[in-house]
Amino acid sequence: NAGVMQNPRHLVRRRGQEARLRCSPMKGHSHVYWYRQLPEEGLKFMVYLQKENIIDESGMPKERFSAEFPKEGPSILRIQQVVRGDSAAYFCASSTKGVSYNEQFFGPGTRLTVL
Amino acid sequence: KQEVTQIPAALSVPEGENLVLNCSFTDSAIYNLQWFRQDPGKGLTSLLLIQSSQREQTSGRLNASLDKSSGRSTLYIAASQPGDSATYLCAVNYGGSQGNLIFGKGTKLSVKP
Repeated sequence: NAGVMQNPRHLVRRRGQEARLRCSPMKGHSHVYWYRQLPEEGLKFMVYLQKENIIDESGMPKERFSAEFPKEGPSILRIQQVVRGDSAAYFCASSTKGVSYNEQFFGPGTRLTVL
Repeated sequence: KQEVTQIPAALSVPEGENLVLNCSFTDSAIYNLQWFRQDPGKGLTSLLLIQSSQREQTSGRLNASLDKSSGRSTLYIAASQPGDSATYLCAVNYGGSQGNLIFGKGTKLSVKP
């Protein structure tokens, strides 16, 4: 049973370009969470999705950032017109059910560098 | 505001020592608490999950305790080894409409041979 998969593992973009980060949850998991870890900072929640639905996006910047989890395929975190401050490690986690009693399993992360 | 604090921020011990990492949270109405390990440049590995109704969980040389009333959790590592060197993260889940974990900044552990 493969764990949570993220790709690419490393992504370099120039200012103004778009970044697309992909996350495939563990088999049987239908809940996905995205977190961001800025240099020397703790992990911060961004968005929580179920298949085809955004459940909680309270941690996501209002502009330039969007997320989706389609019926088929991986979850996508999209950052438009990237700026240097977007440079961070982006982690995806998945669980069998949302909230409460379920353990979240994390992927290896995508390290985004904006030049 | 729901916050999670971990102390110390860094810890260096000789191999073989038993050690305790601390985690405190401001709002005691938690659903569960997870301890993770993060190696440099890597993802997070889940170590232990404690439900709000539990007092402790054990896995091998690791033991995590939870005291909701005081807003504290500890991670005890017995007979530490150089391979235990990593950053240990505590994360709290408040459930409800929030599915997310609130993380502390971690304790960076170095176990010297």
